[in-house]
Formats: sequence, structure tokens, C-alpha cells
Amino acid sequence: SQKIEQNSEALNIQEGKTATLTCNYTNYSPAYLQWYRQDPGRGPVFLLLIRENEKEKRKERLKVTFDTTLKQSLFHITASQPADSATYLCALRSNDYKLSFGAGTTVTVRA
Amino acid sequence: SAVISQKPSRDICQRGTSLTIQCQVDSQVTMMFWYRQQPGQSLTLIATANQGSEATYESGFVIDKFPISRPNLTFSTLTVSNMSPEDSSIYLCSIDGSSYNEQFFGPGTRLTVL
Repeated sequence: SQKIEQNSEALNIQEGKTATLTCNYTNYSPAYLQWYRQDPGRGPVFLLLIRENEKEKRKERLKVTFDTTLKQSLFHITASQPADSATYLCALRSNDYKLSFGAGTTVTVRA
Repeated sequence: SAVISQKPSRDICQRGTSLTIQCQVDSQVTMMFWYRQQPGQSLTLIATANQGSEATYESGFVIDKFPISRPNLTFSTLTVSNMSPEDSSIYLCSIDGSSYNEQFFGPGTRLTVL
């Protein structure tokens, strides 16, 4: 069956450090992979997209890698700030139009 | 980007009743999506609503339990029928961005069924 797995444990890090989140998938052939941020009581907000033929994407302090051989994406938040505290979701879009989401990893950045 | 609003933002309902959730978008869109997010779980797609046709439901979701309306290109409703405590969840509507590279989500409706 198809499965998307993210870090099951919440991530607690010190301000200024790098947070690294993992997204692993099985039985998917995604056209691309997306990362979203979700704050409590709000809907997810799109952050980054990386395509199957791209190895790495950056946006400000965010970096995403995509390894289709390992079936894994890594999401890095560098120079983390307390405002980065949120739940981060990975999502796969296959060749149809539907998105499938992981359960998310909650990040808490301590000042 | 898009502005998506949902009503109500939250509700507490009794078992056996029904609740209709509204989703309003500030632009015309072909497809609107309805998701459920149970506590600690991922977002699960319930159905895709196209204007002028019947909604397409995902495996495990049926029209009798989750009837959807799509009367125009900016609005949709999802009804949660004959509710049980297992229906307690956050319900979200979303649309695709213009390039289909991202989805925009509403703020969600937090439903608690007693």
C-alpha cells in the first residue's frame, strides 16, 4: 500500500540551530513533492516544491532535497527562529491531480 | 495566492445530527477539494468538487455521509451527515494554484461530536 512517513517524534531545537525533517514514501511515483507549514487552528500554507528531476531547492532559510532512489525528501530550516515553530507536512502529487500528505512533524524552536 | 474562507470555524454537535460547512473562494476555480484532518493524523482527501458535475469521492467516503454541493465557481459546501464522535475532526477545503504547483487551504472547520 502507499505510505508517506515523516519523523514521528516532535523536534525540539535551540534557536540558531538547523532543523532537519524527513519524509519517506513507498509505492508512489511522485511527479513532485511539496512541503507545507501548518500553525495551530489554521490550514496548511505552501512553502516549497521540488520536482523528481531536481536534487535540491532553496528558499531563504529553507532547503529541500529529493532522492527518488531512496524515496526520501529532507527539509532543512537553517538558523532557526522561534517563529519557525509549527507543524511541517510533506505532500506528494502523483500523475493524477491528487495530493497525498504525511502526518507532519511538529517543530519547536526554543529561544 | 487565493483567499479562502470557511464557515463555521468550529462547532460542537450532537450525535445523529448533520452539519453543513461552507467554503468561499475569492476567485473562480474549476476544482475544489475537501479534506479531513483527524487529531494527530495527516490530511485525507474526502472528495473533489467540480462545478456542474457530481463530486468524486475517495475510497472510504460516500455521498450519503458527505454530500457536497458546488453551485458556482467560487463556492462549495460539505455536509457531515448523521454524525458520530468518530466524525470529530478538522475539515478543510482547498484549491489548486494557477500553475498547479501548490494548493491553497481554508482555515478549517473544527468539528466536535458529542
